[in-house]
Amino acid sequence: EAQVTQNPRYLITVTGKKLTVTCSQNMNHEYMSWYRQDPGLGLRQIYYSMNVEVTDKGDVPEGYKVSRKEKRNFPLILESPSPNQTSLYFCASKTSPNTGELFFGEGSRLTVL
Amino acid sequence: AQSVSQHNHHVILSEAASLELGCNYSYGGTVNLFWYVQYPGQHLQLLLKYFSGDPLVKGIKGFEAEFIKSKFSFNLRKPSVQWSDTAEYFCAVRKSGGYQKVTFGTGTKLQVIP
Repeated sequence: EAQVTQNPRYLITVTGKKLTVTCSQNMNHEYMSWYRQDPGLGLRQIYYSMNVEVTDKGDVPEGYKVSRKEKRNFPLILESPSPNQTSLYFCASKTSPNTGELFFGEGSRLTVL
Repeated sequence: AQSVSQHNHHVILSEAASLELGCNYSYGGTVNLFWYVQYPGQHLQLLLKYFSGDPLVKGIKGFEAEFIKSKFSFNLRKPSVQWSDTAEYFCAVRKSGGYQKVTFGTGTKLQVIP
């Protein structure tokens, strides 16, 4: 089954404790992206990757890092999480940067205390 | 920079009522337009999209949207909603051609009362 898989789905952590949210897709998509969803703000792009070893900042990259060493994986790293990073995070992928439809993961709800 | 406005933040309808959710975008060039739906506790999934051609686009589950270029709008419609349509709906826009990022609206929460 074609899917985008994120882990963990739920996480409660404390300020400053490094964490990684993994994202994996099995559709051989070139393009992958991370979004955060906050009430009243919709989805905002954090980072995106057009292909392996090619990543770029989205609209709200501060406090986040990403890497794209393999085509299928695009982990989101919070080196020193802060409470303002409490949010619902979605990973998404699409066939190539130029195509339209995004396929989303199930979401990861992160709470930073 | 392009932007997307969804003026209705929360809509409550009774079953069988007709639905229209507004979406306006700010970019003046050629665009690709999308509606995504997020059912409670689930991820976003594509409802319908417009790239070119007939401005009236039909999507899944009886939804349709009309692209009106002169009004920079892409409103979502459904003649008769069901309780299972309760969800949050996001409009999104992307400049056409090459790599262009997708910009999402803030979403409209639809609650359908049985």
